[in-house]
Amino acid sequence: SYVLTQPPSVSVAPGQTARISCGEDNIGSKSVHWYQQKPGQAPVVVVFADSDRPSGIPERFSGSNSGNTATLTINRVEAGDEADYYCQVWDRDSDQWVFGGGTKLAVL
Amino acid sequence: EVQLVESGGGLVQPGGSLRLSCAASGFTFSDYWMHWVRQSPGQGLVWVSRISSDGGTAKYADSVKGRLAISRDNAKKTLDLQINSLRAEDTAVYYCARERWGTTDMDVWGKGTTVTVSS
Repeated sequence: SYVLTQPPSVSVAPGQTARISCGEDNIGSKSVHWYQQKPGQAPVVVVFADSDRPSGIPERFSGSNSGNTATLTINRVEAGDEADYYCQVWDRDSDQWVFGGGTKLAVL
Repeated sequence: EVQLVESGGGLVQPGGSLRLSCAASGFTFSDYWMHWVRQSPGQGLVWVSRISSDGGTAKYADSVKGRLAISRDNAKKTLDLQINSLRAEDTAVYYCARERWGTTDMDVWGKGTTVTVSS
């Protein structure tokens, strides 16, 4: 089955740039989506279709996808960005929706 | 306001069954594919099941195939998940989510309903 690999944690100082990776063979051929989940809350999509941003999501959030790695980039990180982030794809071959294991973003 | 509200969770003994429901409002429910996603305590998100907009096609994660049944009633704007032969590992918050039209992400989520499997 398709497995998406994310780093368990990423730490960044306020105002700096956070990059969260999501890896799998040839992920660049798939459409990758990113969710933010804060404690006790439901997930919220922050980037969809590799690099599109839903209305209401700050421009500080952006995505890219190429080769074997997709990346969520958060510029000018704020304390309020501290959360778990998950990547997700639809695997056409198995017709299954797959989430990465999640990355905890810590704002130092 | 676009909204999804889950219900039906609770404490169930191993081997038991449970039916979760999700009530949709604020959008044309029959236009959208719908999903169930679960999250065990302290763990990540796991996709469980998906149903097409007309209810004619359902898909399940390999890990739950055979024990779960997803269904929908477009007239009532409800999405259901029947879970049978419950196991401890089914303990989780279960979220219903709407699939964004034209893509494969989930753009609207409910707050979730908690299922606890324990004797």
